Amino acid sequence: DAKTTQPTSMDCAEGRAANLPCNHSTISGNEYVYWYRQIHSQGPQYIIHGLKNNETNEMASLIITEDRKSSTLILPHATLRDTAVYYCIVMKTSYDKVIFGPGTSLSVIP
Amino acid sequence: GAVVSQHPSRVICKSGTSVKIECRSLDFQATTMFWYRQFPKQSLMLMATSNEGSKATYEQGVEKDKFLINHASLTLSTLTVTSAHPEDSSFYICSAGGTGPADQPQHFGDGTRLSIL
Repeated sequence: DAKTTQPTSMDCAEGRAANLPCNHSTISGNEYVYWYRQIHSQGPQYIIHGLKNNETNEMASLIITEDRKSSTLILPHATLRDTAVYYCIVMKTSYDKVIFGPGTSLSVIP
Repeated sequence: GAVVSQHPSRVICKSGTSVKIECRSLDFQATTMFWYRQFPKQSLMLMATSNEGSKATYEQGVEKDKFLINHASLTLSTLTVTSAHPEDSSFYICSAGGTGPADQPQHFGDGTRLSIL
């Protein structure tokens, strides 16, 4: 599976949009981009995934560049409860093992 | 939505005890389940892949005789930490992939915090 790189940490003011970038320059054509987050002392929570089109759900939006080499997770109105470590992962299928990198530690500040 | 349940959520036991952790998929069938371990301030580390009806596949450096995995049904996988010692204290998390569309996301349990005294 392709590797991803993410910033180690980010801050975001409460109520503002949080934009979390991810680089996956070696992604292959049949690999999806998945985003998960882990709130302290809990298991990872699925957020959103996409192949090449932008996606939106009740939690977030996912913007994938046309060349698919990078993506951005957008939390439109960050709240304090969005403080977590966010993981960007590329996989072919949900049956593949997930190799977690260090992720981005997002701190939402009042 | 899809839910993965882990039990127990926390266990404290004496050194030398064997501890069993259960991972259940509650509303879907999981042909493949995964077990992770997470130490404080670190990311999740994959330990093994559990396939229903067959032997688990362990990652390099993970002792299969130490961490016994059984995946006897499409909704249950168990991890047994045998003769646990203080260095086995960690946060253990399972995940499950379904039998639906290939891009259906994996879902994770809420983890089991194991403390060995």
